[in-house]
Amino acid sequence: DVKVTQSSRYLVKRTGEKVFLECVQDMDHENMFWYRQDPGLGLRLIYFSYDVKMKEKGDIPEGYSVSREKKERFSLILESASTNQTSMYLCASKGRQVQPQHFGDGTRLSIL
Amino acid sequence: AQSVSQHNHHVILSEAASLELGCNYSYGGTVNLFWYVQYPGQHLQLLLKYFSGDPLVKGIKGFEAEFIKSKFSFNLRKPSVQWSDTAEYFCAVNAAGGGNKLTFGTGTQLKVEL
Repeated sequence: DVKVTQSSRYLVKRTGEKVFLECVQDMDHENMFWYRQDPGLGLRLIYFSYDVKMKEKGDIPEGYSVSREKKERFSLILESASTNQTSMYLCASKGRQVQPQHFGDGTRLSIL
Repeated sequence: AQSVSQHNHHVILSEAASLELGCNYSYGGTVNLFWYVQYPGQHLQLLLKYFSGDPLVKGIKGFEAEFIKSKFSFNLRKPSVQWSDTAEYFCAVNAAGGGNKLTFGTGTQLKVEL
């Protein structure tokens, strides 16, 4: 079974802080994704990566950046956290072929 | 850009009732279609998927979905729901040849009452 592990289930940070969310997958998947999930809005793609050091913007990349230095790890960075970034953040991975994405448990981030 | 509509935002059913959740997408080409479920406090799990072939696909826990190309729809069905089906359900679409991006609907919160 694919295992996607997000480093924290709950995180509380202050506005203006630089925040790192970490995600690790154990299936040697090429593709990794970061989403945010908000009530009534579903999941929205922030960034994704199809290979080490490669990244592409999703639908809502503003205020975020990402890092993929190793194949198994994909980090989401909030450069200067703001209260409107309070949300549930979900990481996912998938292999190269047509197949479903596999999701982590999510990190519920609160920015005070 | 593709989009996905889930028209039912909240559904309340009694146990043993039949379920149908609507999903429509806007994309004229070939698509891959998914339904995911999120039980309270758990991660998103795949319920079923359609890539090609028989448009009626069966998933886990007695769920099925029918792809109707002419209607751009992929509705989820279950003949008899259980209390344990209480969860949020998401439809998602990937345009074949459009890379790995999934576009999700806004979700349907299902509550099954005893």
